[in-house]
Amino acid sequence: EAGVAQSPRYKIIEKRQSVAFWCNPISGHATLYWYQQILGQGPKLLIQFQNNGVVDDSQLPKDRFSAERLKGVDSTLKIQPAKLEDSAVYLCASSLVGISTRGETQYFGPGTRLLVL
Amino acid sequence: AQSVTQLGSHVSVSEGALVLLRCNYSSSVPPYLFWYVQYPNQGLQLLLKYTTGATLVKGINGFEAEFKKSETSFHLTKPSAHMSDAAEYFCAVKTSGSRLTFGEGTQLTVNP
Repeated sequence: EAGVAQSPRYKIIEKRQSVAFWCNPISGHATLYWYQQILGQGPKLLIQFQNNGVVDDSQLPKDRFSAERLKGVDSTLKIQPAKLEDSAVYLCASSLVGISTRGETQYFGPGTRLLVL
Repeated sequence: AQSVTQLGSHVSVSEGALVLLRCNYSSSVPPYLFWYVQYPNQGLQLLLKYTTGATLVKGINGFEAEFKKSETSFHLTKPSAHMSDAAEYFCAVKTSGSRLTFGEGTQLTVNP
């Protein structure tokens, strides 16, 4: 079974530029998550999709970050304009059901490492 | 609100020695608890999790963890460290209806 795919793996941009990341979850997984992992910290949830609807985006900086999940499969996360503090690894994860009544396992992709200069 | 505290951002052990990584959580309702491992330039991989039932949970690569409600702890152990265990380990907590909350991570170094 293929895992969670992400691209690109690395990206270097200058501040105020825009950038987009792509994620393809495990086939059949209804729920998709985007996390931000700043160096030396644990991942922090940015947004959670259930199929193509948003379940939780309370920690997404909506003035500059946006995400979509068209057709309930793959997803893109965009930053526009980027700031220095956005330098981090952006992890995508997916889970089978996602309605959070149980300790369902989330499966993570390899991440996109973003450096903003 | 829930939270996780991992005691010790860096732990160093000798190959063959006991590995003990500490995790304490805060939650007002019964938690689900997870340990993930992250190798350099890779995503997170689930080691083990506690949801309900037996409080001693066995995971992959010889790791295990015990849920102790009275101590609000979920420490990760492995009897004998291997060089390949060197990685960063994250404890995480979740409750029904909430998001997964991670600790700050513990970097494990294994010395030959």
